[in-house]
Order: sequence, then structure tokens, then C-alpha cells
Amino acid sequence: ETGVTQSPTHLIKTRGQQVTLRCSSQSGHNTVSWYQQALGQGPQFIFQYYREEENGRGNFPPRFSGLQFPNYSSELNVNALELDDSALYLCASSPGTSGRADTQYFGPGTRLTVL
Amino acid sequence: QKEVEQNSGPLSVPEGAIASLNCTYSDRVSQSFFWYRQYSGKSPELIMSIYSNGDKEDGRFTAQLNKASQYVSLLIRDSQPSDSATYLCAVHYQKVTFGTGTKLQVIP
Repeated sequence: ETGVTQSPTHLIKTRGQQVTLRCSSQSGHNTVSWYQQALGQGPQFIFQYYREEENGRGNFPPRFSGLQFPNYSSELNVNALELDDSALYLCASSPGTSGRADTQYFGPGTRLTVL
Repeated sequence: QKEVEQNSGPLSVPEGAIASLNCTYSDRVSQSFFWYRQYSGKSPELIMSIYSNGDKEDGRFTAQLNKASQYVSLLIRDSQPSDSATYLCAVHYQKVTFGTGTKLQVIP
């Protein structure tokens, strides 16, 4: 167990809808990163937050957004869902001094299906 | 050229053999290197991290890093059927970039 939790475990949405995924990091871990993992692929970096500020972003459109809260929880929001958004969404936390995403501990993931 | 490249496999080895997993990366300024194991339907689990050239051993696992060749590998000694999984190489500079993973099958 990594001490990182995610909810929900599974989610089914239809195209055009909006979704919010949640993550609870280990206490004391100031950095959280979100990844999208399509079937048969490695995780793709969406963005990273350090002490409630976004400090890194991958090649994802603005309809992917996030928040990090002082209580070590965070959210990933996706607007205007598309079929290609169907994937496993992973959050990973790390102690991350100065926003460095070093050794990361992954949550169990949320499986999103867009119909 | 992909930033982090791995052979997708599957790599099949008999039980008790050494499994050798390889990874190359394109960004010369990469600073940290990781190997994760991912079982089907599960999230990645950290096996090893390595930051400087040479070998790093942890139990049956040895990570090898050669920054000049932009190459990192993972050796698994005495492979067990429970080692059957996808192994992800990850490279960090400003962000963590993962390869697509190598599927390992250990045959009893």
C-alpha cells in the first residue's frame, strides 16, 4: 500500500460530459502528479501541482484542469469528454521539495470509460 | 524519436533465469531514472530508482545506468512466475516520462 487513494474506482460517462476525479496523497507529500494511461501504453503526464500551484504540464488541452488542496487532496477535472479520454487515470504523490517530482507513489487509479 | 523507448515484448524467460529489460532515453539532461512494475489492471509500483552511473542492487533486482549511452536497464535474477508483469521505465527531468513498458512472462 502506498497510502495514496483515488476515487471513484470506475466511472462511465458519455461524450460531452464533465468529470471530476479525486486523489488523496500521503500526508506530508507536497507534490502530486496526474497521469493518463491508455490501454497498452505507458502513463502520460498530464500535470503536476506543488503546494497548490500548477508547476508543470504535459501535452493535454486546457479542458484538463486540476486543483490541489492544503489537506493533501487533489482533483482532476475533464470537460467536454471525448471517446479518446477513456483510460486509467493515475495520481502519484511525492515528498517533492521545491516541486521536484522525484520518487512517486501511485494510487490505484480511476478507470474512466467514455461512451 | 520517442523520449523513452522500451521493447514492448513479450519477453519470455524460464523460471530461475535472469530477465534483462532495457530502456533508452533521448534527453541527455535527464537526472533520475526509475523502474516500475505494473500488474494487469493495477497501478505502477516502484521497484528501483537510480541517479548515477553504474549498478544499484536491491535483492533480486539490479538497475544499471549509463548516461553516456543514454541507457538504463533492469536485471531480475532468479525470475519467478510472480515477476510476470509489465515493467515501465521512467525518466525524470522537469517531468517524469514513461516508456510504453516491456511485458515479462516467466514460464514455470
